Amino acid sequence: DADVTQTPRNRITKTGKRIMLECSQTKGHDRMYWYRQDPGLGLRLIYYSFDVKDINKGEISDGYSVSRQAQAKFSLSLESAIPNQTALYFCATQGGLNAGELFFGEGSRLTVL
Amino acid sequence: SQQGEEDPQALSIQEGENATMNCSYKTSINNLQWYRQNSGRGLVHLILIRSNEREKHSGRLRVTLDTSKKSSSLLITASRAADTASYFCAGGQSGGGNKLTFGTGTQLKVEL
Repeated sequence: DADVTQTPRNRITKTGKRIMLECSQTKGHDRMYWYRQDPGLGLRLIYYSFDVKDINKGEISDGYSVSRQAQAKFSLSLESAIPNQTALYFCATQGGLNAGELFFGEGSRLTVL
Repeated sequence: SQQGEEDPQALSIQEGENATMNCSYKTSINNLQWYRQNSGRGLVHLILIRSNEREKHSGRLRVTLDTSKKSSSLLITASRAADTASYFCAGGQSGGGNKLTFGTGTQLKVEL
């Protein structure tokens, strides 16, 4: 089984719908991240959490919200999806301040019509 | 944007040749990391170099870091078709709890 699991892997939805992307991890890491990937723009940070009671905005948090339900779970919500939120979304974990390396899920491809 | 940039955006070489990718970043960093992404898949960590290091090797990978120029390079020697992927650099921010800021990536194609 994958260490970092994202669901759903693919989702097509309509403008205005509420969407939740879920991430769970079995690595026991405190730090979790949500990134968005668009062609030619690399990965941009949406939100991150350093532990269960910690939530921080990244560089592109507008239109998104997150919930850290437990150490192992970090979900990303789009309250009212819009077409320019069509992208590939990645969840990642990190072991700690000095751990450095990120471990990524396989991604959730979201299409907003 | 705090993102860095990678150069070139795309690179096509023959199998057996070396591939060099460059990365420039904007903020102070604790470390610089390189990741690989096969088409549409999750990123996989390749190598990490700390801010007090200048060069690091791992198998066919060689990474250099020049903090005075805020730049890094990734060299893949004796490339193989299986190295075809996108490669991203990411800087661990000094003042940001080591969260990573990614570059825009280099698409490498290794042809037989």
